[in-house]
Amino acid sequence: DTEVTQTPKHLVMGMTNKKSLKCEQHMGHRAMYWYKQKAKKPPELMFVYSYEKLSINESVPSRFSPECPNSSLLNLHLHALQPEDSALYLCASSQDPPGARGEQFFGPGTRLTVL
Amino acid sequence: RKEVEQDPGPFNVPEGATVAFNCTYSNSASQSFFWYRQDCRKEPKLLMSVYSSGNEDGRFTAQLNRASQYISLLIRDSKLSDSATYLCVVTSNTGNQFYFGTGTSLTVIP
Repeated sequence: DTEVTQTPKHLVMGMTNKKSLKCEQHMGHRAMYWYKQKAKKPPELMFVYSYEKLSINESVPSRFSPECPNSSLLNLHLHALQPEDSALYLCASSQDPPGARGEQFFGPGTRLTVL
Repeated sequence: RKEVEQDPGPFNVPEGATVAFNCTYSNSASQSFFWYRQDCRKEPKLLMSVYSSGNEDGRFTAQLNRASQYISLLIRDSKLSDSATYLCVVTSNTGNQFYFGTGTSLTVIP
């Protein structure tokens, strides 16, 4: 199984809502990532989890709160978002460390719209 | 200075053409190198890993030049289905961070 799954595929939320994005992989990868991607831009790293511990936070606003309940699951909790947070949110996983030939596998993403 | 620099294009080429993309990186200790392909409104998917010895997969050839710190991707006999954005990705010296180029947009024209 070389698949990373993400739910939901689409999400529309108001600025006062609380929602969560979910990501799952069963490849035995111990590194998991959240990226944000705006149209015509490359993915922008938000968070990295290594062995279920947060190892990198790229100065992401606190309205985004990641959680890694176990080695297969990664959540992103959203609260009080702004319209400019509308984007495609991608989850990825890799071996940890990736090693000389390790690559990231991406999920299909959640397309988020904040009204 | 950005970790990875990539010409955003766009590249518009006729079917059957050969097209090459280059990407430069700033950290000489970077460990791993990849080309990803991303179709519109889809996730990035691995196209090829890039090794010092160079590697080829059908119409695609990737090269790594560590001395000059660049990687390249050559596509021969372009097909309409090759139209996509091509992202070069470089890992950190510890290998646990992936740095993306801006992506190069390719459109293959009939």
